[in-house]
Amino acid sequence: GAGVSQSPSNKVTEKGKDVELRCDPISGHTALYWYRQRLGQGLEFLIYFQGNSAPDKSGLPSDRFSAERTGESVSTLTIQRTQQEDSAVYLCASRQGAGLGTQYFGPGTRLLVL
Amino acid sequence: EDKVVQSPLSLVVHEGDTVTLNCSYEVTNFRSLLWYKQEKKAPTFLFMLTSSGIEKKSGRLSSILDKKELFSILNITATQTGDSAIYLCAVLNNAGNMLTFGGGTRLMVKP
Repeated sequence: GAGVSQSPSNKVTEKGKDVELRCDPISGHTALYWYRQRLGQGLEFLIYFQGNSAPDKSGLPSDRFSAERTGESVSTLTIQRTQQEDSAVYLCASRQGAGLGTQYFGPGTRLLVL
Repeated sequence: EDKVVQSPLSLVVHEGDTVTLNCSYEVTNFRSLLWYKQEKKAPTFLFMLTSSGIEKKSGRLSSILDKKELFSILNITATQTGDSAIYLCAVLNNAGNMLTFGGGTRLMVKP
């Protein structure tokens, strides 16, 4: 497609379960970013990929969070043993070049942990 | 093309000084402006500003947005060496599908 896509659009899970969120960036975009947005708050930067590598994972909130990217394309964000405070919208963005610049966002995955 | 410009590019001050960082933007269909602090790791979120003239404050940091003049300032009072970082400004468009970052201001606070 022409834009960034994310799936699922909504996810409700029970505390303690693992969830996997998927992001398909714009074709040809080498940089991919994951953000988290809690209700009424700003975008928290989680992790970014340049190609398939994540130079900096320090934004991930805890070791329950991990992300990978393959083929310089699809990325998955995995949250293990979900907690209620993980409830948020998880946004993915992509960019053609390196650096922060202008990023194009997907529609997000709304995660609710019960 | 959307554009976000930050000034100054870099700034060196001494502990206790007050600094003002500037961010101006030209963005189609503005939704909100965000400030981040970046040390030797991922940017950490500071403020999100959506309405003009309403100051947001967190400890020694404060920020305000002027949607008429298309700029925002980030103030840091009584600076400390731990404030040394790159401060990033970013603007989110109304559709929420595009975030444009400025080039950042590198702040160094000397003891």
